[in-house]
Amino acid sequence: GAGVSQTPSNKVTEKGKYVELRCDPISGHTALYWYRQSLGQGPEFLIYFQGTGAADDSGLPNDRFFAVRPEGSVSTLKIQRTERGDSAVYLCASSLLVNTEAFFGQGTRLTVV
Amino acid sequence: KNEVEQSPQNLTAQEGEFITINCSYSVGISALHWLQQHPGGGIVSLFMLSSGKKKHGRLIATINIQEKHSSLHITASHPRDSAVYICAVRRGETSGSRLTFGEGTQLTVNP
Repeated sequence: GAGVSQTPSNKVTEKGKYVELRCDPISGHTALYWYRQSLGQGPEFLIYFQGTGAADDSGLPNDRFFAVRPEGSVSTLKIQRTERGDSAVYLCASSLLVNTEAFFGQGTRLTVV
Repeated sequence: KNEVEQSPQNLTAQEGEFITINCSYSVGISALHWLQQHPGGGIVSLFMLSSGKKKHGRLIATINIQEKHSSLHITASHPRDSAVYICAVRRGETSGSRLTFGEGTQLTVNP
């Protein structure tokens, strides 16, 4: 596609449920980033992939959060046993190479009720 | 103290005014980004800077590496410029290429 695509755009889930958020980066982009943005704040880093491997996952808040990128393209962010505090906009970005311009998706607004 | 600080947090201007948003950072960086975020969450990259000045249309971004400071200027502001403007830095260490974001500046331009 022409840009970074994230699905779903909105997700409402019950506390304790499992959710998956998908990111489809720009074709050919090797680097993929996940960020989380809470209301009124700037985005915060979660995890970064270079190709298929997670080059830096130090931003994942706890072991309920996991992300994969098995073929070096699409990535899925997985959240187990969701909590109300997980409610936020989850942003994905991709860049052609590390340290080149990043392009952002529209985000997935996750609401845990 | 946040590693990236923006000022002001909120800015209201009249159409046509010259606008400046400031960003200060406290870490070594390899690049600084200015981003625009509209309601609904979509983020658009405006500039990526490592030195000097860049201009695109009515937008100008400058950076002073020695002073660890960058500014985003909007000339002849228009209501469609209303958005949140975010400064983000890419750190200079080899430990990762993550962006560290400021909290954003909410700009409202009134007609």
